[in-house]
Amino acid sequence: RKEVEQDPGPFNVPEGATVAFNCTYSNSASQSFFWYRQDCRKEPKLLMSVYSSGNEDGRFTAQLNRASQYISLLIRDSKLSDSATYLCAVNRGSSASKIIFGSGTRLSIRP
Amino acid sequence: GAVVSQHPSRVICKSGTSVKIECRSLDFQATTMFWYRQFPKQSLMLMATSNEGSKATYEQGVEKDKFLINHASLTLSTLTVTSAHPEDSSFYICSATPSAGNQPQHFGDGTRLSIL
Repeated sequence: RKEVEQDPGPFNVPEGATVAFNCTYSNSASQSFFWYRQDCRKEPKLLMSVYSSGNEDGRFTAQLNRASQYISLLIRDSKLSDSATYLCAVNRGSSASKIIFGSGTRLSIRP
Repeated sequence: GAVVSQHPSRVICKSGTSVKIECRSLDFQATTMFWYRQFPKQSLMLMATSNEGSKATYEQGVEKDKFLINHASLTLSTLTVTSAHPEDSSFYICSATPSAGNQPQHFGDGTRLSIL
């Protein structure tokens, strides 16, 4: 089983739609959770950290479910500029800093 | 904010050449840096953890003699791909974080390596 698993997509949705991604992780000792955004041929950029209580940043909402070991990302009122690959990242439980990435979910927003 | 610089951004060279990639933390010190590799349409795969002043730790399946890592100072880690072959062509990215604990990684711009 992979340490971090994501649905690769692609998700192709119209502008203005709401889209949600899930990501599961295998190590119950993991403590740090993040969503990154990666544009084609670029480095990943941090979108948001994911906290136990859930957190929101504008149109983006992240949730953590420790019991089921998954994190989610919700994007509301999607924009054309949201088209990218979204990577979930989880620290390997034994190392606070060592981050393992999921395979990424490709999102394409159409006009 | 924390800035990580990576150099060069693009390398094209002949098979058999050794290629060195530098990763610098510009405004913070990093005792630990990480090296990732990403093949087209795949995710970032952690290759190794670079530890300042000590040996790097490699992930399973990554050849330490093939990918030499040196972390001689608190702001610089280097990855050398020795005797590179076409199958080593990939996007190599380093990351670092200013402090230990549950902080996100900051990534360099990446190095696109093409071996002919």
